[in-house]
Amino acid sequence: DQQVKQNSPSLSVQEGRISILNCDYTNSMFDYFLWYKKYPAEGPTFLISISSIKDKNEDGRFTVFLNKSAKHLSLHIVPSQPGDSAVYFCAASGNQFYFGTGTSLTVIP
Amino acid sequence: KAGVTQTPRYLIKTRGQQVTLSCSPISGHRSVSWYQQTPGQGLQFLFEYFSETQRNKGNFPGRFSGRQFSNSRSEMNVSTLELGDSALYLCASSLTARNEKLFFGSGTQLSVL
Repeated sequence: DQQVKQNSPSLSVQEGRISILNCDYTNSMFDYFLWYKKYPAEGPTFLISISSIKDKNEDGRFTVFLNKSAKHLSLHIVPSQPGDSAVYFCAASGNQFYFGTGTSLTVIP
Repeated sequence: KAGVTQTPRYLIKTRGQQVTLSCSPISGHRSVSWYQQTPGQGLQFLFEYFSETQRNKGNFPGRFSGRQFSNSRSEMNVSTLELGDSALYLCASSLTARNEKLFFGSGTQLSVL
């Protein structure tokens, strides 16, 4: 049973525009959420995280929003750059980390 | 500080064989966890070790096992390999693994023929 879901397998965005990646979770006990970026043949690299006591966290071009009532989080990338093209995974922390299936982002120059 | 190191990077085995994968965590990190990545399945949690004890286990058959040594290095073993075991196996380390970000290695790409 997938406790963390990323319903969009892929997303294409023009360079300079906003990329919005979405993630839904089922367990209201999750209290820490992360986003990872992954290039082919490499391990995921940490991007940004948010604790359940917050609803927003910013780091440069990356902002994560958390809506606890909807059990939904999103990652905004503004402005999008070609180097952002990668697979993005969201993860939630319970007794272990649960990962979504990933969204492949393509930023078109 | 060196990152998480996984060896080997690539491995080709045949059905029925067994395989051992190795992971050296970041210095000072005591938690090591293992994940299996297959296309379309995301990262599936295998198990987590902390101070040589298995703290958590995912929903994988008993053919998948692991251990952690006193220096926090970890190994993962898969016995009686099946074609479906072909995947990227990722190791991650963290200080405690509870509400802390994980640092991943580059993974071991296992192909079972």
